[in-house]
Amino acid sequence: AQKITQTQPGMFVQEKEAVTLDCTYDTSDQSYGLFWYKQPSSGEMIFLIYQGSYDEQNATEGRYSLNFQKARKSANLVISASQLGDSAMYFCAMRERELGSSNTGKLIFGQGTTLQVKP
Amino acid sequence: DSGVTQTPKHLITATGQRVTLRCSPRSGDLSVYWYQQSLDQGLQFLIHYYNGEERAKGNILERFSAQQFPDLHSELNLSSLELGDSALYFCASTRSSGGEDNEQFFGPGTRLTVL
Repeated sequence: AQKITQTQPGMFVQEKEAVTLDCTYDTSDQSYGLFWYKQPSSGEMIFLIYQGSYDEQNATEGRYSLNFQKARKSANLVISASQLGDSAMYFCAMRERELGSSNTGKLIFGQGTTLQVKP
Repeated sequence: DSGVTQTPKHLITATGQRVTLRCSPRSGDLSVYWYQQSLDQGLQFLIHYYNGEERAKGNILERFSAQQFPDLHSELNLSSLELGDSALYFCASTRSSGGEDNEQFFGPGTRLTVL
């Protein structure tokens, strides 16, 4: 079965510094998608960035970039120049495909990493 | 604002009761996904509808059911509620039926508390 693992329950980073949040995945599919979401204390899930398994370049969106290492099955999120507003829970997710099932874009999620940015 | 709306934002009810959670997808999106976020189970996929048809089912209890209407809004019905059903329920929407989308936008969630 496909699986997402986030091994860092909590992280601290100094304001204005960069931080890397780890995500490893397990799948036998050749085609898959990887997503990162931010969940602040208010509870909403904010989409940050997407990486397709066939994308040759690492995805970037503003201060967010995804360090995609396919052979190692890792998709780490890098946040540059951290801001106080980056303090939140971060989730890595993978679009799962089941053999023989209808096409679906359902996501499976990791356990999340809580990031705290210190002033 | 993701463009996905969910009502109500909060819901407090008693064990044994039945509630309905509502979701309206982003304009133009045909797929609606429901997820449950609880402290012990984390974020789990419940069910996926595409253009009115059920496409995939996850760890959804038999006491739970969902449907997607012709105007594409979706409702998640939870019945015979138990304390363990207390959770944050999200819906998300995408344009296609599955593997083509490079984004999946979530609504603000409905926080259900069962007393």
